[in-house]
This record gives sequence, C-alpha cells and structure tokens, in this order.
Amino acid sequence: QQPVQSPQAVILREGEDAVINCSSSKALYSVHWYRQKHGEAPVFLMILLKGGEQKGHDKISASFNEKKQQSSLYLTASQLSYSGTYFCGTEVGGGGSNYKLTFGKGTLLTVNP
Amino acid sequence: ETGVTQTPRHLVMGMTNKKSLKCEQHLGHNAMYWYKQSAKKPLELMFVYSLEERVENNSVPSRFSPECPNSSHLFLHLHTLQPEDSALYLCASSQLALAGKADTQYFGPGTRLTVL
Repeated sequence: QQPVQSPQAVILREGEDAVINCSSSKALYSVHWYRQKHGEAPVFLMILLKGGEQKGHDKISASFNEKKQQSSLYLTASQLSYSGTYFCGTEVGGGGSNYKLTFGKGTLLTVNP
Repeated sequence: ETGVTQTPRHLVMGMTNKKSLKCEQHLGHNAMYWYKQSAKKPLELMFVYSLEERVENNSVPSRFSPECPNSSHLFLHLHTLQPEDSALYLCASSQLALAGKADTQYFGPGTRLTVL
C-alpha cells in the first residue's frame, strides 16, 4: 500500500522553510527520499532506517518516527534549486524485500525568488 | 548524470507496433528495476531483476515483457500497447545490500512513451 504524502504542493519564497510528511499504514523498515525536477530522473536524497534516526545534509534533513510510521523531510532556508517534486519511498516489514519500494504521489515544491 | 542511461528518451508508437526500451547501468550494481510514472500517480514498480533473475513482477500486463541479459543491461519489450500505457518509463539500479540493510536506487532519465 502506497504511503501518503502531505502536503500535495507547497509554494515558498527563497529562504523560507518547509516540511513534507510521509505516512504509512504499515510498519516501516525504511524510508527513502527522492527529488525529481521536471523532465529529469528522480535523484536520491537520503535513506532512514527504523530506529528513529534523523539524517541530513546541507539544509535538508529528515526524521523517521517508527511509532507513528511516519517520516518528515525538512527543508530550511530554501533555495531556488530546491524546487521539484519530492517523493518518499517506503519499505515495509522486516527488510527482507530490500529492493521493493512503494512510492507516494509526491509533493510539488516551488521556490520563488 | 546518475550512471544509468536509457534509450530512446522519447518514443511514439502505434498500438500495433513492437518496440523496445533499453537501460544500461555503469555502476556495477546487481539489481535493476523498471518503473512506470504516469501523470498524477505515484511511481509504480513494474519489474525487478536481481542477479539477472526476475524477482518481482507487479501484476504487469503481458504486453510488457522485460529482459535482463546481464547485470548491466535491462530491456522492456513493448507490443500491442494501449493509449493508457503512455507514461514515463524509468529504469533504476541498485546494489543489493546485506540482509536487513536498505539500498539506494539510482534512476535513469526515463523514456517518454506516447501510444497513439
């Protein structure tokens, strides 16, 4: 079953912050975050494994709440280059099928000057 | 440039045509995937090959036929498609991790398919 992402779309001014959520009805083993710009391939951002781990690089970070079966992606001091569609991919269960990701519908992020 | 290439980038075909999509990965990975991306829908996993063997077929119609001759190449053979099959077809590869560890998938740029 696919994860649910929210919001569906968000518009920011450069320098503002945003949070994108990814929720699952099933117990999650891992959550993967990707960004896709228009006309391009999805690009990997980060993986979070169960255990409540928080990861980040530069001004993009994410958390994974195993109890809530939810992950959140945090974008701080947004830049124009952050524009794109953000997807979460979830891996359920005990991690045995570590190749199968189910993706959410995506969140369209637009950063304006 | 992710190390995964796809050809052609655009394809227009009639419902009676037969065509093939090609994917090549230069990352030394041992797993390859086909995804379908339609407008306003999530990425849909179609096929997974691990060590050149198909391990997942997500209830995909038989008009789509995958082929993985070696760990670097993946094909998707298309025949008698329907207009609703028009979409972006993405190939990805990954290195299958040890049990219990998730892997990162690297995507190609996709083939934009239009079925008339």
